[in-house]
Amino acid sequence: QVQLKESGPGLVQPSQTLSLTCTVSGFSLTSYNVHWVRQPPGKGLEWMGRMRYNGDTSYNSALKSRLSISRDTSKNQVFLKMNSLQTDDTGTYYCTRDRAPGYFDYWGQGVMVTVSS
Amino acid sequence: DVVLTQTPPTLSATIGQSVSISCRSSQSLLHSNGNTYLHWLLQRPGQSPQLLIYLVSRLESGVPNRFSGSGSGTDFTLKISGVEAEDLGVYYCVQGTHAPWTFGGGTKLELK
Repeated sequence: QVQLKESGPGLVQPSQTLSLTCTVSGFSLTSYNVHWVRQPPGKGLEWMGRMRYNGDTSYNSALKSRLSISRDTSKNQVFLKMNSLQTDDTGTYYCTRDRAPGYFDYWGQGVMVTVSS
Repeated sequence: DVVLTQTPPTLSATIGQSVSISCRSSQSLLHSNGNTYLHWLLQRPGQSPQLLIYLVSRLESGVPNRFSGSGSGTDFTLKISGVEAEDLGVYYCVQGTHAPWTFGGGTKLELK
């Protein structure tokens, strides 16, 4: 069955870099797009960026200067790196698959990231 | 960026009541390919979002048929015909017609 699972550090210091991994199973990264979406505590959802099935990437312009998404298809993993973290980057980070633009049919469990010294 | 405005922000309902949530877009969500990429998600407390409705009105597999979606252009509605306890949580609309994809602010469904 289709599964996505995020992993990464729960605590990051201000100004440091966040590195997260999304490990997928039940589908191929060369057939589906994988996105990163985040959610500050008690707030709504924000689309961060996308790894397309063909390896192309696109980013939310508000985060583009700090964000990088890559993948390792042999390991079924998609990576997120975001630098210069601040306290308002605190939240839950999800990876999700789409079957059409915005049609997010499977989600990971999410990983909570706290930015604090 | 496309702004999706959901109303009401909070909805109180009794079990069995029918309710509707509105999602209005700042731009038409009709894509040049003829599709309208407007979808609905439910996030239950402490859980990840889950897909309910895709492409305006199509029910995702496994989702009860008390959920229905309608609309076109810039105005969309999610209806729940007979709320059940498991329906409580926050509902989000999301659009994929115009990059970047954007979400509505959410509508919290509570028990009255």
